[in-house]
Amino acid sequence: EVQLVESGGGLVQPGGSLRLSCAASGFSFGSYAMSWVRQAPGKGLEWVSGISGGGGDTYYADSVKGRFTISRDNSKNTLYLQMKSLRAEDTAVYYCAKDLRAMYFSDRSGFDYWGQGTQVTVSS
Amino acid sequence: DIQMTQSPSSLSASVGDRVTITCQASQDISKCLSWYQHKPGKAPKLLIFDASILDTWVASRFSGSGYGTDFTLTISSLQPEDVATYYCQQCGTLPITFGQGTRLEIQ
Repeated sequence: EVQLVESGGGLVQPGGSLRLSCAASGFSFGSYAMSWVRQAPGKGLEWVSGISGGGGDTYYADSVKGRFTISRDNSKNTLYLQMKSLRAEDTAVYYCAKDLRAMYFSDRSGFDYWGQGTQVTVSS
Repeated sequence: DIQMTQSPSSLSASVGDRVTITCQASQDISKCLSWYQHKPGKAPKLLIFDASILDTWVASRFSGSGYGTDFTLTISSLQPEDVATYYCQQCGTLPITFGQGTRLEIQ
C-alpha cells in the first residue's frame, strides 16, 4: 500500500524557517517525480515545487522561488521542503504528491497519491 | 502561466442527476489534464488523467473528455458520497496549475 506521511509543519513567525518532510512507502520511491502542493485557507490547490526521481532536476512556482528548496533522500524514501523567509501568505496545508508514472519532470502527469497534509501557519 | 478556468464555481444537484463540470485552459495543453476530488480534511483523490482515463478504483459514473483547451468532467448519476470540491489540473507547461475548484453539493 502506498503511503505518504508529511511532518514538520507548525507555527512560525514571519521571516522564519521550517523544513517539511514526507516519508514514502509502498512503492519504488526513486522511480517517481514528486511534488509539494499547498492549499491556503479558503483557497484552491497551488503547486509549489517538484523534483525528478533522481533528485537532479528541481522546479518551483514563482511565488516561492529563491525561498523554498525541494530535495529528496532516496536512501531514506523521504521528500523534503526547506522553507525560508516565510510570509503570512505561505500559511497553508502542505501536501506531498507522487507523479502517476514519471521519473523525469518532463514526462509529468497527474498525482496519483497524496499525503494527508501538514499545516504551516506563519504569524506573529 | 497557463490559467485554468472551471465552471461553475459551485453546483447543487439531486441524487441521480447527471452533473457536468467544465475546465478551460488559456493555452493548448493537448491531453495533459487531470481531475481530482477533494473532501475537507482528506487528501485529494485522482479521478481522471490524460483527460479521459479513469484512475484505478474510481467509480465508472465518473468520466472525462476533451483535448487542447476545453475539458469536461461528468458524473453520470450523482451519489451522496460525491459531495466534494473538484479541481482540474494541467501538466502541459510549468508551472503546473489548477482550476479554482467547483464545490458540488446535494440538493
